[in-house]
Amino acid sequence: QQQVKQSPQSLIVQKGGISIINCAYENTAFDYFPWYQQFPGKGPALLIAIRPDVSEKKEGRFTISFNKSAKQFSLHIMDSQPGDSATYFCAASGSYGKLTFGQGTILTVHP
Amino acid sequence: DTGVSQDPRHKITKRGQNVTFRCDPISEHNRLYWYRQTLGQGPEFLTYFQNEAQLEKSRLLSDRFSAERPKGSFSTLEIQRTEQGDSAMYLCASSFRGLAGHYNEQFFGPGTRLTVL
Repeated sequence: QQQVKQSPQSLIVQKGGISIINCAYENTAFDYFPWYQQFPGKGPALLIAIRPDVSEKKEGRFTISFNKSAKQFSLHIMDSQPGDSATYFCAASGSYGKLTFGQGTILTVHP
Repeated sequence: DTGVSQDPRHKITKRGQNVTFRCDPISEHNRLYWYRQTLGQGPEFLTYFQNEAQLEKSRLLSDRFSAERPKGSFSTLEIQRTEQGDSAMYLCASSFRGLAGHYNEQFFGPGTRLTVL
């Protein structure tokens, strides 16, 4: 049962461009939506997170847009850099805290 | 470094052997989670502890898997009679209760890569 669907599976962006990754969820009990960045051989690192009481959250070059009615949220990476090349996971959790992850997006930023 | 640590980082074992992994959470984080990640997939929840109490176990956690957190600090995950399908990255994460009462912000360790031959 896949409760969080993520797209695209892979994304290639030129340096300075905007990277956009989308996620959709099914469980309306979810109330916390983080994005994680993972480099090969490393554990996921928390990038940015949002709760459903706001529609957008920005931290530096990273922005989450959240659409509660559509049960969708997305990650925008502005001015993408080669160092941003990694796998990105969206996730969702409810009151108990356990995270349900999407399948991941492999981002490649070309110089 | 005060992050989540895991030991060993890599483990190669033969099918049928038992293996044990250790996780040391961030100090004062009273929740500890175990996840499993296979190649090309997102992490999948296995189990979690609040202090020493194991509060939930996923259906993914077969009878061959057992986890403990005896003193509410470090945790161990043991896999008995390993199978090739157990090959994966085993991730540990910890969290604390935030000001709003949420435990959501989880910090992950580097993982233990298990290869079962």
